[in-house]
Amino acid sequence: GQNIDQPTEMTATEGAIVQINCTYQTSGFNGLFWYQQHAGEAPTFLSYNVLDGLEEKGRFSSFLSRSKGYSYLLLKELQMKDSASYLCAVKDSNYQLIWGAGTKLIIKP
Amino acid sequence: EAGVAQSPRYKIIEKRQSVAFWCNPISGHATLYWYQQILGQGPKLLIQFQNNGVVDDSQLPKDRFSAERLKGVDSTLKIQPAKLEDSAVYLCASSVSPNEKLFFGSGTQLSVL
Repeated sequence: GQNIDQPTEMTATEGAIVQINCTYQTSGFNGLFWYQQHAGEAPTFLSYNVLDGLEEKGRFSSFLSRSKGYSYLLLKELQMKDSASYLCAVKDSNYQLIWGAGTKLIIKP
Repeated sequence: EAGVAQSPRYKIIEKRQSVAFWCNPISGHATLYWYQQILGQGPKLLIQFQNNGVVDDSQLPKDRFSAERLKGVDSTLKIQPAKLEDSAVYLCASSVSPNEKLFFGSGTQLSVL
């Protein structure tokens, strides 16, 4: 079967750095997405990786290793507004999106 | 650019009643998705349209759920009759093509009592 694993919840301190991991087992791979979802709101796009390596976009970076079936989202200089759930999703060989359950990130002052 | 529009924002119904949700995707987006999201879980795909054709409805409970996308633009999702376990947020999303990133609407929070 197809599976995406993420930690259920993480806690970090304002101003710090946090890394949210995602491991996947899918039938084929055509890209990996990270979305941010604030409580009661719709998911919003953060990043897309299709090749191995690190993609940096401001305070957020996303890393992919296709051989290991592994990705992480790195958030730097954490702000209170970063408190949200972070969803990892993989496009399989049929270009269908497989979603993880999300990681709830709690930022403390 | 206008985003994905959904209505209503909230809906409360009793079990065995029917309910309908409406979605207007971003102009020019050929692919439209309906997702069900239960609190604490990731989105679950109910149905995916490419223009006005169905690409994937393998997880749609067809005995009670139906969806259509007339003219390849707006879409409606209907539940009849509703069950308690249908309480969830129903998200509509659209993309230029199946390969591209998804843009989500604000969702409809459904409570079935």
